Amino acid sequence: AAGVIQSPRHLIKEKRETATLKCYPIPRHDTVYWYQQGPGQDPQFLISFYEKMQSDKGSIPDRFSAQQFSDYHSELNMSSLELGDSALYFCASSPQGYASGNTIYFGEGSWLTVV
Amino acid sequence: AQTVTQSQPEMSVQEAETVTLSCTYDTSENNYYLFWYKQPPSRQMILVIRQEAYKQQNATENRFSVNFQKAAKSFSLKISDSQLGDTAMYFCAFQGAQKLVFGQGTRLTINP
Repeated sequence: AAGVIQSPRHLIKEKRETATLKCYPIPRHDTVYWYQQGPGQDPQFLISFYEKMQSDKGSIPDRFSAQQFSDYHSELNMSSLELGDSALYFCASSPQGYASGNTIYFGEGSWLTVV
Repeated sequence: AQTVTQSQPEMSVQEAETVTLSCTYDTSENNYYLFWYKQPPSRQMILVIRQEAYKQQNATENRFSVNFQKAAKSFSLKISDSQLGDTAMYFCAFQGAQKLVFGQGTRLTINP
């Protein structure tokens, strides 16, 4: 079965640079979520989109922005990168929004290292 | 805001033993969903089991089962006949009217 696809899987950037992560949800899933997992931490919610509109916002820095496109894929843009942004970034998807209780499926994550 | 608490940072058992991971949560919502996710060393987040709060029957998936106590806001995971491949970080998660919220995780090691 098709899964959530994230790219790139690994990314190394220098401080103050910009990075873009891409996420392709499972077919027919209209809701996308972004999570950040630091070393030894649980995943922290960043932002979510339902039907191409932002549906919820968590602890996402102002330096980060995201959007969902007409084909439902999503991109997370991170600017002015800091060392503390080094983390595993998960994208996840589900059908019909999280309030419906549908299971959220996670991608394999994108490793971002800021040096 | 919803909170999820996993009070066991680490657990270790012998292969083939049964192990129970604890999870409690706090919410004022009546309709919600609970999950256990497994994160092996590869760091992939894998769904283990799902429970709807309106269902009294505990969910079961092969060797994995839950003990859901709604009044106590408790949602423990039991792994029977544990296998070496069960070694992973296990996260309990709550999903209500808002985002999926994770607990701090329990690192489970299955020893040969």
